[in-house]
Amino acid sequence: EVQLLESGGGLAQPGGSLRLSCAASGFTFSSYAMSWVRQAPGKGLEWVSTISGSGVTTYYADSVKGRFTFSRDNSKNTLYLQMNSLRAEDTAVYYCAKDGAYDHFFQHWGQGTLVTVSS
Amino acid sequence: EILMTQSPATLSVSPGERATLSCRASQSVSSDLAWYQQKPGQAPRLLIYGASTRATDISARFSGSGSGTEFTLTISSLQSEDFAVYYCQQYNNWPPLTFGGGTKVEIK
Repeated sequence: EVQLLESGGGLAQPGGSLRLSCAASGFTFSSYAMSWVRQAPGKGLEWVSTISGSGVTTYYADSVKGRFTFSRDNSKNTLYLQMNSLRAEDTAVYYCAKDGAYDHFFQHWGQGTLVTVSS
Repeated sequence: EILMTQSPATLSVSPGERATLSCRASQSVSSDLAWYQQKPGQAPRLLIYGASTRATDISARFSGSGSGTEFTLTISSLQSEDFAVYYCQQYNNWPPLTFGGGTKVEIK
């Protein structure tokens, strides 16, 4: 059974930093691209970032490019999202997701972790 | 960037009735279209990918159709557990991966 467990959310001040983690199990982790998707309170879904299975290639939404860094440790089956220069508009539930085998839809989702950016 | 537009924003349906949800892409996405269901307080769940392929363990009540720019999600006979918000997502031309704004299916 695929399991994705996010952690690291919480309250951060504008301009501050947080690091999210996502622990994965139940599949061959290094074989799959992985993604982060966020959802602001009461709003729809927004793609944030995708990383290749090897971790060599990353893609970012324009809204987070240059501020967020997505990485993975395939020896630990864990993803990391380093979020710097946080803004109020980054307030959201952040979901990690396992991509499809060959395509970038989101086959499995974690339960999400809430990030609140406020002074 | 491909813009995804879902309609209607809210759909009121009686249990047992059919629900038809629409998703339109601003340019062709071929069949690279997924549908998700999200219930309050829960993560989204993949229903359909490749425009018409049901994901694992998804009820046959759910069916997807379309290609190019026009897509439909049909729920053949609404059950109580189907009342939720539904999102479409294209993965043909990215980054960015883009979602529609969602359709809320509510009890009539």
